[in-house]
Amino acid sequence: SQTIHQWPATLVQPVGSPLSLECTVEGTSNPNLYWYRQAAGRGLQLLFYSVGIGQISSEVPQNLSASRPQDRQFILSSKKLLLSDSGFYLCAWRPGKNIQYFGAGTRLSVL
Amino acid sequence: AQTVTQSQPEMSVQEAETVTLSCTYDTSESNYYLFWYKQPPSRQMILVIRQEAYKQQNATENRFSVNFQKAAKSFSLKISDSQLGDTAMYFCAFTYYNYGQNFVFGPGTRLSVLP
Repeated sequence: SQTIHQWPATLVQPVGSPLSLECTVEGTSNPNLYWYRQAAGRGLQLLFYSVGIGQISSEVPQNLSASRPQDRQFILSSKKLLLSDSGFYLCAWRPGKNIQYFGAGTRLSVL
Repeated sequence: AQTVTQSQPEMSVQEAETVTLSCTYDTSESNYYLFWYKQPPSRQMILVIRQEAYKQQNATENRFSVNFQKAAKSFSLKISDSQLGDTAMYFCAFTYYNYGQNFVFGPGTRLSVLP
């Protein structure tokens, strides 16, 4: 079966520290992968998407970057976190035209 | 650019009652998909129901049904026999048939089911 894993679930980091969030998908190959951010009580903001290894598209200029080192792995990174990077980060994958599935999310608090 | 609007930031309903959440979208295309996702307090995004624009028949999934009005670009969600577990944020979303097109989400409606 196809599943999506995202970790860590919760992260508390000081301002200026690096960030690495990981997302992996099982049971499929060459999935379209997405990173979203959700501020408290708000909607989803698409940050990055990838249609294949090494192929990253950025939707919003910001302090974050993404990489796809393997077919089913998608990483969200930052060299130096800002307070404004706090939020809930969701990874998603799209197995077909008419569906998108989400990971459990990472709650990031930058202090 | 396509947009999705949910005009009701918050709603409440009594347990066992029926509630309707509104969604409108803007597009010049004719082939697309529409979705309702649910995000309970756990914050896991869960697909509730989806509709293909070329299908005139409204989608239904158990207690959840939609009223799809293509000409009006309206896609409302009706929850019948509301349960406490339906308490969540509900997001309306849209994507084109083109596999490369991304999903666009509305701002969400916070639904509280009251005992």
